[in-house]
Amino acid sequence: QVQLQESGPGRVRPSETLSLTCTVSDGSLSNNYWTWIRQPPGKGLEFIGYIYSTGSTNSNPSLKSRVTISLDTSKNQFSLNLRSVTAADTAVYYCARMSDSTWYWDYWGQGTLVTVSS
Amino acid sequence: QSALTQPASVSGSPGQSITISCTGTSSDVGNYDYVSWYQQHPGKAPKLIIYDVNNRPSGVSDRFSGSKSGNTASLIISGLQAGDEADYYCSSYSSTSTPWVFGGGTKLTVL
Repeated sequence: QVQLQESGPGRVRPSETLSLTCTVSDGSLSNNYWTWIRQPPGKGLEFIGYIYSTGSTNSNPSLKSRVTISLDTSKNQFSLNLRSVTAADTAVYYCARMSDSTWYWDYWGQGTLVTVSS
Repeated sequence: QSALTQPASVSGSPGQSITISCTGTSSDVGNYDYVSWYQQHPGKAPKLIIYDVNNRPSGVSDRFSGSKSGNTASLIISGLQAGDEADYYCSSYSSTSTPWVFGGGTKLTVL
């Protein structure tokens, strides 16, 4: 049973960089799209971006200039960096898995709330 | 503004059936059978309940079903139970600049 766990600071100051890591347990990073999705308080889900197991990435155009997603196969982790954050980036951030033979996210982390505040 | 349009809320009594719609365009729902539905209870992560328009993952009740017509997908929940009270989100593959889009979510209230 694949398990995903987000980790990172719960608070980030405006204009700084939000950095989160997702650790994947009991599963290989291979042949999967490792995805970041966020949910502002009381609002809906928003696709941030993904990294494929080969390292190729794709992200939401609305965030693309500020987003970097990377993979660390030695640690079975993938990470999100979101630069120049504002209060609008306050959200629960989820990591999730999409197999490259499917078109849906079947495993999700529990989510981590990141608040942008000084 | 979400790319896919869902009603903000729906309600039904125990035992009844409800339908939640998810309207997109020919760039997403209308042209691809890659519509999935997620159930989210308060404070919890979304859970996959329908994939590829009308398929249920193992372990999901057969009271949940999906369909699609044109640019609109639908989630049908029959035999409503108290535990079905949650937020429901649709998602679709998209051929536009972002590969995956979500609906704004629908809050289901079981009366």
